[in-house]
Amino acid sequence: DTEVTQTPKHLVMGMTNKKSLKCEQHMGHRAMYWYKQKAKKPPELMFVYSYEKLSINESVPSRFSPECPNSSLLNLHLHALQPEDSALYLCASSYRPNARYEQYFGPGTRLTVT
Amino acid sequence: GEDVEQSLFLSVREGDSSVINCTYTDSSSTYLYWYKQEPGAGLQLLTYIFSNMDMKQDQRLTVLLNKKDKHLSLRIADTQTGDSAIYFCAEIFNAGNNRKLIWGLGTSLAVNP
Repeated sequence: DTEVTQTPKHLVMGMTNKKSLKCEQHMGHRAMYWYKQKAKKPPELMFVYSYEKLSINESVPSRFSPECPNSSLLNLHLHALQPEDSALYLCASSYRPNARYEQYFGPGTRLTVT
Repeated sequence: GEDVEQSLFLSVREGDSSVINCTYTDSSSTYLYWYKQEPGAGLQLLTYIFSNMDMKQDQRLTVLLNKKDKHLSLRIADTQTGDSAIYFCAEIFNAGNNRKLIWGLGTSLAVNP
């Protein structure tokens, strides 16, 4: 199994809703990442988990709350989002946290905040 | 700060070679990557090159690295319509105890039949 899966594929939520994005990999990777990507722009790093512990938070607003329940799963909890948070949210994993190891990306969740 | 630059658009005819160029600023970068993103899809790692290499070839893909000029290029031979996508160049940036990928803005490749 050499893929990163993400659910849901699409999500529409209101500004008062609470929702979660899920990411899963079974490659034995110990680093997992959340990125936000706006149309035709490069991905922006949000969070890095290293051995299930949060190691990088790129000053992301607290309305985004990551969670890593185990080495295979990564969640992103969303609450009170703004329309400008609409984007493609990408999950990635790598064998180890050192960026020398290539990152494998999931297909993303396309989020629309209304 | 650290920066990666790419030309934004490239248009080629089917069957021709495509060359996508990238310049970077962090001379200590050890690895440089090329990612492909098709419309509506996630990012796919195409290839990477270690900084002690000048060239790497993988089937239709050739990566050339000029460390002196901090210039990286991706050549796609016999370009097909399925190669139409955005191609991102990325380098490793050392930020204290962490290493992060610094991304270019992406080159949108259009392949015309």
